[in-house]
Amino acid sequence: SQQGEEDPQALSIQEGENATMNCSYKTSINNLQWYRQNSGRGLVHLILIRSNEREKHSGRLRVTLDTSKKSSSLLITASRAADTASYFCATVPHYGQNFVFGPGTRLSVLP
Amino acid sequence: ETGVTQTPRHLVMGMTNKKSLKCEQHLGHNAMYWYKQSAKKPLELMFVYSLEERVENNSVPSRFSPECPNSSHLFLHLHTLQPEDSALYLCASSQEVGGWGTGELFFGEGSRLTVL
Repeated sequence: SQQGEEDPQALSIQEGENATMNCSYKTSINNLQWYRQNSGRGLVHLILIRSNEREKHSGRLRVTLDTSKKSSSLLITASRAADTASYFCATVPHYGQNFVFGPGTRLSVLP
Repeated sequence: ETGVTQTPRHLVMGMTNKKSLKCEQHLGHNAMYWYKQSAKKPLELMFVYSLEERVENNSVPSRFSPECPNSSHLFLHLHTLQPEDSALYLCASSQEVGGWGTGELFFGEGSRLTVL
């Protein structure tokens, strides 16, 4: 069964606005990671948040994790056209198990 | 550059052809992965290797045959493929297998496969 589900599936915003994407998962996790993929390219790791952390920042990225609700959010502030990409959350359920990716959110930032 | 190189970037093959995808990582990682990405579907984990030993095979059809001759190289041999196998095939590596601890995945740019 799919571990992570991103919401919304697609998001379109104007440059300068904030973009928020959500990820829900089903089982307990060790950590949750967010990745970005430009069209037709490989995925690039953005940020990792551990199960004992609630919030993490990296530049214009802010990630929150609520283990009681089994959900995470990725906030991109002051978006730019170059942020246009698909964003995936990946969870690591248990020791020795591998990453499970959600279907992704396609973000379009309009200039 | 992520330190993971995939070749070829694009491949078109007939259903009776035999071809191979190649992946090389320059990061000194111990684990390597093949993922399949089809349109409108989540990333599908195909194979996982840890120190050249296959540790996971997610019910992948036998027309896909992986090979890991050493911890830096990973191949995916393709034969008698079907049109539904057309997809972006992504190779990735991580320090150790799985994501426990500080593990993150480093991806190559992918090989876009079209089966006619």
